[in-house]
Amino acid sequence: AQSVTQLDSQVPVFEEAPVELRCNYSSSVSVYLFWYVQYPNQGLQLLLKYLSGSTLVKGINGFEAEFNKSQTSFHLRKPSVHISDTAEYFCAVRKTGANNLFFGTGTRLTVIP
Amino acid sequence: GAVVSQHPSWVICKSGTSVKIECRSLDFQATTMFWYRQFPKQSLMLMATSNEGSKATYEQGVEKDKFLINHASLTLSTLTVTSAHPEDSSFYICSAETRSTVSYEQYFGPGTRLTVT
Repeated sequence: AQSVTQLDSQVPVFEEAPVELRCNYSSSVSVYLFWYVQYPNQGLQLLLKYLSGSTLVKGINGFEAEFNKSQTSFHLRKPSVHISDTAEYFCAVRKTGANNLFFGTGTRLTVIP
Repeated sequence: GAVVSQHPSWVICKSGTSVKIECRSLDFQATTMFWYRQFPKQSLMLMATSNEGSKATYEQGVEKDKFLINHASLTLSTLTVTSAHPEDSSFYICSAETRSTVSYEQYFGPGTRLTVT
């Protein structure tokens, strides 16, 4: 079975500062990895995904994530955050060959002016 | 492209009544649609997976007689909450996937907030 752990439920950060949102997963099989963002009362929007190839993945809005197989991590980073980045961020995994997504509990990013 | 809509965006109903939520893929054919439930400040929990023209597959613990899912066409899936109770109040989100591209991506709708009084 797959599981996803997002250790930080809330991350406050000042505007223009860098941020890292942590995600660790466990799985006995190969997985695909995703980061989604959810703005209040909205659905989820894909930020980026790792399927294969380069372990550094670049996504929308200046976000990037690095897949680390040995540490089973897929941390999300942004070098300089904006007020508009305030939202809930979800890490998700999907077993290769399956179509079910398993989500972490989410990290609330709050950007402080 | 790849837009998923949900209707209604919010609904209030009385306990004991049934509510239908629609999920539509607007610009692609969704071979598979998913229904999630999200409680306040919590993650999304998959309720069921449906493929066009076949019965939905429900996750463990989800009552299939209470949460009726119909995936009648490649662009429409509906979730009906039957005999709703206050504990069914939640944010329901659908997503859709197409097998026409190897993107392994689910496209999410904006969600429906259900409040049962």
